[in-house]
Amino acid sequence: SYELTQPPSVSVSPGQTASITCSGDKLGNKYTFWYEQKPGQSPVLVIYLDSKRPSGIPERFSGSNSGNTATLTITGTQAMDEADYYCQAWDSYTGGVFGGGTKLTVL
Amino acid sequence: QVQLQESGPGLVKPSETLSLTCTVSGGSISGFYWSWIRQSPGKGLEWIGYIYYNGITKYNPSLKSRVTISLDTSEKQFSLQLTSVTAADTAFYYCARQYYDNTYFFDYWGQGTLVTVSS
Repeated sequence: SYELTQPPSVSVSPGQTASITCSGDKLGNKYTFWYEQKPGQSPVLVIYLDSKRPSGIPERFSGSNSGNTATLTITGTQAMDEADYYCQAWDSYTGGVFGGGTKLTVL
Repeated sequence: QVQLQESGPGLVKPSETLSLTCTVSGGSISGFYWSWIRQSPGKGLEWIGYIYYNGITKYNPSLKSRVTISLDTSEKQFSLQLTSVTAADTAFYYCARQYYDNTYFFDYWGQGTLVTVSS
């Protein structure tokens, strides 16, 4: 079955750039999506189709996908961005596939 | 604004069947896919399966033998049944709208409901 791998944790200082990676076999041939989940809340879509932002998502969120790695980038990270981030892709056999999640700490 | 709300028992005994319902409001159920996703406490997300508005289903191969998703378009509800549950099925269960744009993703989520498997 298809798998996506994320680092368990990433730390960033306020105002700096945070990069969260998501790796999978030939992931660049698929579209990748990113979800933000804050404690006690449901996931929220922050990036779709590799690099598009849904309405209401701040411009500091961006995404890219090439080769075997997709990356979520948060430019000018704010304290409110502290959350768990999950990547997701669709596999024709497995169906919906999520990465294990990355805990972003802003300190 | 599409809203989804899960409902069902919060406690299920081992070996019994977990049953949840998701009610959709603020939008049409027709033309879309509807999914169940779960998250064990402190863990990551696991896609369980979807149902299309015409009744076509697809399930995660790892759960396929125990899962059934059904749809009641008149009530704007879809449901999950998971049989022969064990403690490993204890999780927050989310319903979500699965959107198709070149591929599938989840654009609206319910608030989630915790189901505990315990005697």
